[in-house]
Amino acid sequence: AQSVTQLGSHVSVSEGALVLLRCNYSSSVPPYLFWYVQYPNQGLQLLLKYTTGATLVKGINGFEAEFKKSETSFHLTKPSAHMSDAAEYFCAVSLYSSASKIIFGSGTRLSIRP
Amino acid sequence: SQTIHQWPATLVQPVGSPLSLECTVEGTSNPNLYWYRQAAGRGLQLLFYSVGIGQISSEVPQNLSASRPQDRQFILSSKKLLLSDSGFYLCAWSTKTGELAEAFFGQGTRLTVV
Repeated sequence: AQSVTQLGSHVSVSEGALVLLRCNYSSSVPPYLFWYVQYPNQGLQLLLKYTTGATLVKGINGFEAEFKKSETSFHLTKPSAHMSDAAEYFCAVSLYSSASKIIFGSGTRLSIRP
Repeated sequence: SQTIHQWPATLVQPVGSPLSLECTVEGTSNPNLYWYRQAAGRGLQLLFYSVGIGQISSEVPQNLSASRPQDRQFILSSKKLLLSDSGFYLCAWSTKTGELAEAFFGQGTRLTVV
C-alpha cells in the first residue's frame, strides 16, 4: 500500500525567501505524485503532478517539485515566497492502476512573514 | 469541461440526526469517486472510494456509509450523527487511466454536529 509523509506541520518563511515543503512517499511500484494547495474553507487545487518522464516538474504560481526515486521524495519548492502563498499544502500519491486510490499526507501550513 | 458539484456548503445538524451529502460530476464518464474528511487542523482522511456503480470501498471503520446509485453520483450518509463526525467533507473524482491522474475536488461541505 502507498503512503505519504509530510515533514513539518507548519512552515514559516519571510516574504522573498525560499520555500521548501518536504514530502516522502512509500510505494511498492512507480507512483503518481501530486502537490495540492488549499485556501481556507475551499477545496483543493492541483499545483503540479509527476506521472512519468521529466523528474523536475513545474507547476502553477512558480512552484516546482523534483521526483527523486532514490530518496523516495517529492519536495515542493519556490525560489521566492509571496504573501499570497500562505495556505495549506498537501502531498499525495497514487499508483498506476485503474482502481488506485489517492492518499494524502497530513498537510503543511505555510505562513509568510512580511 | 468537467465539473464537480457538492452540496450543501455548510450544515449544522444535531447529534443523532441523519446525514446525506451529495456529489455529482459532469462532463466525464466512469470516474473514480472519493469522499475525504478533513478534521480541524488535520490532513485529509480517505473515507470511501468507488470505481463504479455500487462498488464502494471503505477505508476506516466509522459511523458513515457511502453509495453510488448512478455513474456520476456519490452520496455520503449517516443514520445517526456523532459529535466526532464534525469536519470538512470533500468529494473528488479522477479518471482511471492516462495523464489525467489527479483528483479534482468539490468545494467541500462544512459539517458541524451540535
